[in-house]
Amino acid sequence: DAKTTQPNSMESNEEEPVHLPCNHSTISGTDYIHWYRQLPSQGPEYVIHGLTSNVNNRMASLAIAEDRKSSTLILHRATLRDAAVYYCILRDDHDPSGNTGKLIFGQGTTLQVKP
Amino acid sequence: EPEVTQTPSHQVTQMGQEVILRCVPISNHLYFYWYRQILGQKVEFLVSFYNNEISEKSEIFDDQFSVERPDGSNFTLKIRSTKLEDSAMYFCASSVGRVSNQPQHFGDGTRLSIL
Repeated sequence: DAKTTQPNSMESNEEEPVHLPCNHSTISGTDYIHWYRQLPSQGPEYVIHGLTSNVNNRMASLAIAEDRKSSTLILHRATLRDAAVYYCILRDDHDPSGNTGKLIFGQGTTLQVKP
Repeated sequence: EPEVTQTPSHQVTQMGQEVILRCVPISNHLYFYWYRQILGQKVEFLVSFYNNEISEKSEIFDDQFSVERPDGSNFTLKIRSTKLEDSAMYFCASSVGRVSNQPQHFGDGTRLSIL
């Protein structure tokens, strides 16, 4: 899986938007960009994924740069419950080493939300 | 919404003892995974399982580890002779498929403490 780079930590105020960046300059044309998050004392939780176009779901939006070398996870109104570690992960079906679907987690971005 | 369930939530075991961690994946899912997270570290892939056999395993998954799907619902991880360094959170995950546009769903984990 291609490498991603995320800031170690970010802070946000409650009810304000949060933009979590991810750089993936070596992304291949077949890599999907996935975001997961891990709330304290819980397992990772799927948030959103995309390939080329921006994506929206009930949890968040994903903005993908035109060259796909970076992406941004957008939480439109942060709540205290959104305090978590956010992971940006690339997944490729065409990895020549074989792909059994495993996720490779980095350190992620620890998001603090202040009331 | 269906979820992955793991039992027990916390397991305390003496070093050298066998331990079995249990998971009930989401019922229509076909791909199953175990990950672990040592305190303060990244989530690490252990093993993927499909069609009643291991698809891929990491270097961590040595001869002391085994997985089984003994019936149509449970997915278990066994550690034959536990070591102190096996102390970690163990997460089970499942997905409908392995392709890159299908998310994995995680349980809340079993905290394994080896004394």
